[in-house]
Formats: sequence, C-alpha cells, structure tokens
Amino acid sequence: DAKTTQPTSMDCAEGRAANLPCNHSTISGNEYVYWYRQIHSQGPQYIIHGLKNNETNEMASLIITEDRKSSTLILPHATLRDTAVYYCIALDHNDYKLSFGAGTTVTVRA
Amino acid sequence: ETGVTQTPRHLVMGMTNKKSLKCEQHLGHNAMYWYKQSAKKPLELMFVYSLEERVENNSVPSRFSPECPNSSHLFLHLHTLQPEDSALYLCASSQEDTANSPLHFGNGTRLTVT
Repeated sequence: DAKTTQPTSMDCAEGRAANLPCNHSTISGNEYVYWYRQIHSQGPQYIIHGLKNNETNEMASLIITEDRKSSTLILPHATLRDTAVYYCIALDHNDYKLSFGAGTTVTVRA
Repeated sequence: ETGVTQTPRHLVMGMTNKKSLKCEQHLGHNAMYWYKQSAKKPLELMFVYSLEERVENNSVPSRFSPECPNSSHLFLHLHTLQPEDSALYLCASSQEDTANSPLHFGNGTRLTVT
C-alpha cells in the first residue's frame, strides 16, 4: 500500500472548518483513500473514503486532487468532540491489511 | 454503540494466568480482525478471519491464540504473556465480499500484564 504523510498535529477553533491534509504521492490506481479517527480510549472510527471523486457524508467531506497525489479531509464545523487522532490510509480495495501510521493529532479549542 | 462489542474493557493478568478476550459483531459482517495498539505505536494487525477461516497470522507469538467459532464471534486466548504484551487489543469486522467495505472497530480491551 502507498505510504501516506500527514502533519503531526494541528489545532482548530470550535465552530470553524478543520482541513486535514494528506500526501500520498505513490498511490496506485487501485488504491482508495480512507480516513479514520481515534478518540482517546476508543477504537478507530471510520469517517469516509474515496477513489477519484470528492465524497461527502454526514461526518465530513473528502477532496482528492486530480492527480490523486494528495487529499484533504474537511470537518465542516469542528466541535470539541472532534478532538482525536486522524489517520489517512491508502488501501487497495482487495486488501484487508489496514495499516495505520502516526496520524494527525487534532485538538479543537473553544 | 459501535456494532462491535468487546469484553472485558479492562483486564489485569499475571504472567502465568490464562484469560480470553471476547468480541461480538452485530453488523452481519463475514470478516473479523484482531489488532494490537501499544503505547505510542501504530496499530498492528495480528489475525484475520474470513468466513470463519483464518487467512492471516501476522507473525504473532503462540502465546496469543485466536478462535472464530462463527461469523459473529471472535476470541483471543492468552497464556503466559509478558509485560511487553500490555496494550489495547482491538477487534474489527468488515464485509469482505462488498467492495470498499470499511472496518468497524470495537472500543478495545485494555490489557495489563503484571
């Protein structure tokens, strides 16, 4: 699976949009971009995934660049409960070996 | 309620004890997974079961023994563990015959080996 690179940490203000970047310059055509998050003392939670097109669900939006070498997860109105470690993962759709890196520690401040 | 329930939430055991971790999924999935999360380390995949057959054993020591009696239940039997085995053990499930099926995780069992 392609390696992903994320910033170690970021802060954002409550009520504002949080934009989380991820680089995956070696991603292959079969690999999807998945986002998970892990709130302290809980298991990872699936957020969203996509291949080429931008995706939106009730939790977040995923913007994938046209060359697919990077993506951005957008939390439209961050709340204090969004404070978590966010993981960006490139995964072949036939592969079950989900591998987590260090992720981005997001702290939402009042 | 995550759809994947793990018990117990916390476990303290001595190195000579035998204990089991239990996972139950209520999502109708056909694949189940054990992951280990040690302090300040990424999640490590341990075992994968697909349709109740073990399809992955990721070089895990034999003191960890998984069991999958049916598609809804997964166990991790523990014996003669070491203090370095202290970690958060996470269970997950997915639907393998559906393209792009994300994993759904339980909240884990926090294991301390004394």
